[in-house]
Amino acid sequence: DAGVIQSPRHEVTEMGQEVTLRCKPISGHNSLFWYRQTMMRGLELLIYFNNNVPIDDSGMPEDRFSAKMPNASFSTLKIQPSEPRDSAVYFCATVRDSSYEQYFGPGTRLTVT
Amino acid sequence: QQQVKQSPQSLIVQKGGISIINCAYENTAFDYFPWYQQFPGKGPALLIAIRPDVSEKKEGRFTISFNKSAKQFSLHIMDSQPGDSATYFCAASKPLGRLYFGRGTQLTVWP
Repeated sequence: DAGVIQSPRHEVTEMGQEVTLRCKPISGHNSLFWYRQTMMRGLELLIYFNNNVPIDDSGMPEDRFSAKMPNASFSTLKIQPSEPRDSAVYFCATVRDSSYEQYFGPGTRLTVT
Repeated sequence: QQQVKQSPQSLIVQKGGISIINCAYENTAFDYFPWYQQFPGKGPALLIAIRPDVSEKKEGRFTISFNKSAKQFSLHIMDSQPGDSATYFCAASKPLGRLYFGRGTQLTVWP
């Protein structure tokens, strides 16, 4: 199994630009989580989906952030417009419904200048 | 509000020594307590986990000690090695719910 796949691995963009991060979960995993990691705030849960339905988006910082999961094989996290304070590593993690163990992807390092 | 509090923030241990990282929680509904290990440039990976019906779980050099009455749990790394140098996160969750992570401990093992 290829594990959780995230793209791009690195993204550098200018303030005000739209950024789209992508995640492909492990096949058969029903829940998908988006996290943001920074030195200041650690690992923060932004949003999670179960069977493609958003369950908890209380961690989404503001309206500039949106996430979708159109099918069981793909999810996106979009930031529009991006700001320098959005610079962080964004992780996607997935888990099978009957399990507790979350599998993390390699992350996308976002730098907004 | 931090659901899981982790300490210390950083830890330096000599090779062969014991590394101990502590976590505390408040929500008695939590029933799963994992530890994740993260190397630079990688995503966190599950290291070891415990359920509250046991007080200790050991896997190789890694042991979780769990104190339900005190609402605390800790990770012990015996015979610490330079390859153990990483960031360690404790976490907790309700039955099949989201994980609440601690802030992380950066462990450095000197050769």
